[in-house]
Amino acid sequence: GAGVSQSPSNKVTEKGKDVELRCDPISGHTALYWYRQSLGQGLEFLIYFQGNSAPDKSGLPSDRFSAERTGGSVSTLTIQRTQQEDSAVYLCASSPQGGDTEAFFGQGTRLTVV
Amino acid sequence: SQKIEQNSEALNIQEGKTATLTCNYTNYSPAYLQWYRQDPGRGPVFLLLIRENEKEKRKERLKVTFDTTLKQSLFHITASQPADSATYLCALASSGGYNKLIFGAGTRLAVHP
Repeated sequence: GAGVSQSPSNKVTEKGKDVELRCDPISGHTALYWYRQSLGQGLEFLIYFQGNSAPDKSGLPSDRFSAERTGGSVSTLTIQRTQQEDSAVYLCASSPQGGDTEAFFGQGTRLTVV
Repeated sequence: SQKIEQNSEALNIQEGKTATLTCNYTNYSPAYLQWYRQDPGRGPVFLLLIRENEKEKRKERLKVTFDTTLKQSLFHITASQPADSATYLCALASSGGYNKLIFGAGTRLAVHP
């Protein structure tokens, strides 16, 4: 597709379960970001992938959160043992390079932990 | 720690007036500053990018300034319209090859007819 695609669009899970969120970036974009947005709040940085470099994981809130990017393309954000405070919209973005270029966002995955 | 501040209170203005939104930052020396628009239930959409060596950038009814001395960016929408109502986010990135984009919390703009 032409844009950033995220799946699923909505996810309801029980507390304690693991979830995987997927992001398909725009082809050729070397930079990929994950952000979290709680209701009425700004974008909280989670993790940043840039080319073949080691990812910047400085925004991950706990060791229950992890992410990988396979083949420099698709990325998966995994949350283990979900908690109610993990409920939020998870946004993925990609850009041709890094912060010196425009970022294109997906529609997000709304995660609800019950 | 690095901090990006945008006015958390909504900005209410009359149609036709100029809206001015502020982005301040501390403990940061960004090389690039971007502005995005976000509508409810959607991902942010890019509007403008300005570099540290640029004082001002314009695009149609939009104007952005970047003052590295004041550590501030101003975002202006002239001749505002109700369709401009949205949340506007500023984002900063440092120079170099590992320059992730960090966002402020955003300011909600409401343009009234």
